Amino acid sequence: AQSVTQLGSHVSVSEGALVLLRCNYSSSVPPYLFWYVQYPNQGLQLLLKYTSAATLVKGINGFEAEFKKSETSFHLTKPSAHMSDAAEYFCAVSDRRNGNKLVFGAGTILRVKS
Amino acid sequence: GAGVSQSPRYKVAKRGQDVALRCDPISGHVSLFWYQQALGQGPEFLTYFQNEAQLDKSGLPSDRFFAERPEGSVSTLKIQRTQQEDSAVYLCASSSTWTGTNTEAFFGQGTRLTVV
Repeated sequence: AQSVTQLGSHVSVSEGALVLLRCNYSSSVPPYLFWYVQYPNQGLQLLLKYTSAATLVKGINGFEAEFKKSETSFHLTKPSAHMSDAAEYFCAVSDRRNGNKLVFGAGTILRVKS
Repeated sequence: GAGVSQSPRYKVAKRGQDVALRCDPISGHVSLFWYQQALGQGPEFLTYFQNEAQLDKSGLPSDRFFAERPEGSVSTLKIQRTQQEDSAVYLCASSSTWTGTNTEAFFGQGTRLTVV
């Protein structure tokens, strides 16, 4: 069975500082991996996805993530945090053998301090 | 429509009441998913449709939960005899492709169900 672990339920950074949100996955097949962002009272919005092409994936709003098979990780980074980045972030793995249903981590709430 | 639409946005139900949650996917999307998101948790898969066929219902927590998509477009998630543990946000997502591909799933804003 697939699973996702997000280390740190809450992360706090200063505006302009590096953002690093950690995600480790478990999958018996080569995975598709995703990062979603959720703003209060909003649906999930895709930030970026890894689908077995380039291991460094660039997404929207300046975010990127690197797939590291040896570490089973897919950490999300942004060089400089902005106040508007404050939200909850979810890492997910896709079971592409079964209709692409997503298995999500528990989420990390990012707080950006001014 | 422009995106996935869910209704109602908020629903308060008395314990034991039946509820029906509606999802209008993006026009033409063949795949439709329902997820349940409890407070402070990530979304958890409930069920999956490919057009009108329900291909996976392994995530439905009990036989009180039922989903349908009779014409391959709008879907309804029905919960019978609601219990307090059913309180959660129910998310619907749709995507344009079939099994085995990696197309993005687009999510609706969800229906927040509170059972009192």
